[in-house]
Amino acid sequence: KNEVEQSPQNLTAQEGEFITINCSYSVGISALHWLQQHPGGGIVSLFMLSSGKKKHGRLIATINIQEKHSSLHITASHPRDSAVYICAVSRGTGNQFYFGTGTSLTVIP
Amino acid sequence: NAGVMQNPRHLVRRRGQEARLRCSPMKGHSHVYWYRQLPEEGLKFMVYLQKENIIDESGMPKERFSAEFPKEGPSILRIQQVVRGDSAAYFCASSPPVGTDSNYGYTFGSGTRLTVV
Repeated sequence: KNEVEQSPQNLTAQEGEFITINCSYSVGISALHWLQQHPGGGIVSLFMLSSGKKKHGRLIATINIQEKHSSLHITASHPRDSAVYICAVSRGTGNQFYFGTGTSLTVIP
Repeated sequence: NAGVMQNPRHLVRRRGQEARLRCSPMKGHSHVYWYRQLPEEGLKFMVYLQKENIIDESGMPKERFSAEFPKEGPSILRIQQVVRGDSAAYFCASSPPVGTDSNYGYTFGSGTRLTVV
């Protein structure tokens, strides 16, 4: 069983919809990260969280340490948000990541 | 600030050849990580290095793979005697020292796509 689980695996939304991607983990972590990967492209780090909530533009990330759960929300979704969103956790004293399998998001105009 | 630079972007090697992948971390970053993304699979941790030291190589295959991060120059991921199963995207990331409070301190390169023919 993967230490980091994401849902859904695939998500299709209409432009303007509010989107939520969920991440659950089963191990102790030092931080949780949300990453974005465009097809054939590189990886962008969106958020690093150890508690609470962070906001950047239309993106909001929350984490509940007790429940070992995080969510990534996208408000007013746009076709350019289409990408794979990956949840990753870092553990212990190192900063190496352990990844979820990703959520492939497609936003239709 | 050029970000994390990886080269080459694409690399084609014949079976049995050596592949060398380079990663220059962001300015001020002293920690480098290598990850592999096999086709249709998620990202997997390979190795974590600081200057002249391998901190954690628990994700590296035991044979044919090695990594270094010398005092001067980029980090190198070296794959000897490549096989078709090594075909993947290899991503490098860098970060400032652990404990630095930064929302965006962790930065990925664009990756090297290795194809073994």
